[in-house]
Amino acid sequence: AQSVTQPDIHITVSEGASLELRCNYSYGATPYLFWYVQSPGQGLQLLLKYFSGDTLVQGIKGFEAEFKRSQSSFNLRKPSVHWSDAAEYFCAVTIYGGSQGNLIFGKGTKLSVKP
Amino acid sequence: KAGVTQTPRYLIKTRGQQVTLSCSPISGHRSVSWYQQTPGQGLQFLFEYFSETQRNKGNFPGRFSGRQFSNSRSEMNVSTLELGDSALYLCASSSLAGQGDIQYFGAGTRLSVL
Repeated sequence: AQSVTQPDIHITVSEGASLELRCNYSYGATPYLFWYVQSPGQGLQLLLKYFSGDTLVQGIKGFEAEFKRSQSSFNLRKPSVHWSDAAEYFCAVTIYGGSQGNLIFGKGTKLSVKP
Repeated sequence: KAGVTQTPRYLIKTRGQQVTLSCSPISGHRSVSWYQQTPGQGLQFLFEYFSETQRNKGNFPGRFSGRQFSNSRSEMNVSTLELGDSALYLCASSSLAGQGDIQYFGAGTRLSVL
């Protein structure tokens, strides 16, 4: 069965510092991978997705992620964090291309930003 | 273009009651998926509807059901509510235009069961 692991429950970084959120997935073939962000009391907003091709994908708000097949990882990065990035981040996987429901989510990483 | 709209935003029910949540997808989107979010279990897939047919279903008891109308609007129903059903219920819509399509989420309905 597919699964997604986000090892870090909570991360605190200083504003302006770089950020890396980890995500590992378990699946035999290449899955479709996503990162979503959720602000308090809100739904999920897609940051970026990986389906195929270039393993380094760019997303919104200055985020990027790198797919590493050998490590079954899809880590999210941002070179300089802003206070408005404080939120919860979810990595997700599906075998259906993302459009047929059944996204499997990690437990999330809550990001706090120090001034 | 309006986003995914979920109503109501908040609900308070008591054990044993039933509840119906509504989701209006983005105009032109034909697929609607439902997810339950709790602090303990995280985000879990409930079911997905496409063209009024349930296409995928997660591992939830039969008390959880849904339907989709011809205009793609969807409802989910939970009967005989239990305390553990307290959660944020999220709806997502997708156009299924092809590979590369994604799911867009609504703000959710927060259900509290007392």
